Amino acid sequence: DTAVSQTPKYLVTQMGNDKSIKCEQNLGHDTMYWYKQDSKKFLKIMFSYNNKELIINETVPNRFSPKSPDKAHLNLHINSLELGDSAVYFCASSQTSANEQFFGPGTRLTVL
Amino acid sequence: QQPVQSPQAVILREGEDAVINCSSSKALYSVHWYRQKHGEAPVFLMILLKGGEQKGHDKISASFNEKKQQSSLYLTASQLSYSGTYFCGTESDTDSWGKFQFGAGTQVVVTP
Repeated sequence: DTAVSQTPKYLVTQMGNDKSIKCEQNLGHDTMYWYKQDSKKFLKIMFSYNNKELIINETVPNRFSPKSPDKAHLNLHINSLELGDSAVYFCASSQTSANEQFFGPGTRLTVL
Repeated sequence: QQPVQSPQAVILREGEDAVINCSSSKALYSVHWYRQKHGEAPVFLMILLKGGEQKGHDKISASFNEKKQQSSLYLTASQLSYSGTYFCGTESDTDSWGKFQFGAGTQVVVTP
């Protein structure tokens, strides 16, 4: 069984479109994260959710919005996509912030 | 503010040792170490908590100096499988709960 899964694995879209990336974890963890990894490989934390409540929200454009229907899911919605949004997006989960994070396989987003 | 890693890159021959450093301008509660291979998700190596001891995993170990607000990862008798980008992640003792940041990464290449 996959611990943290993401769909889709690849996403190619045009500028201005709206898209979503789904994330599910079957580990029973209380905390989930979204990271953006750009072409320089820097892993930037975007959001962190604990028990369905947003804990931190970094300086991310409000075009990005996390949605958590339940503890096992944290989806990422992106409106009005821009070229600079092209990156690999990773979902992760952990029991608490002081525990190991399990990463999903990543979603490579390409905005044309 | 993200932690600072050094060096940016290191090339080793199989069997050689290396040290990767991670420092923060803030008091730290925890330091995480992850390794990411090309095209894959980051994989957990170890966590060091404030007040905790030095940890080890096979021939990879780490230390955490709370006073200096820094951690070091030691690769001993490196193997080809150690190649990848190593990231330290830190949780500050002074920020709000869950504020987790990754460093920029250290690329490690182990050659035969």
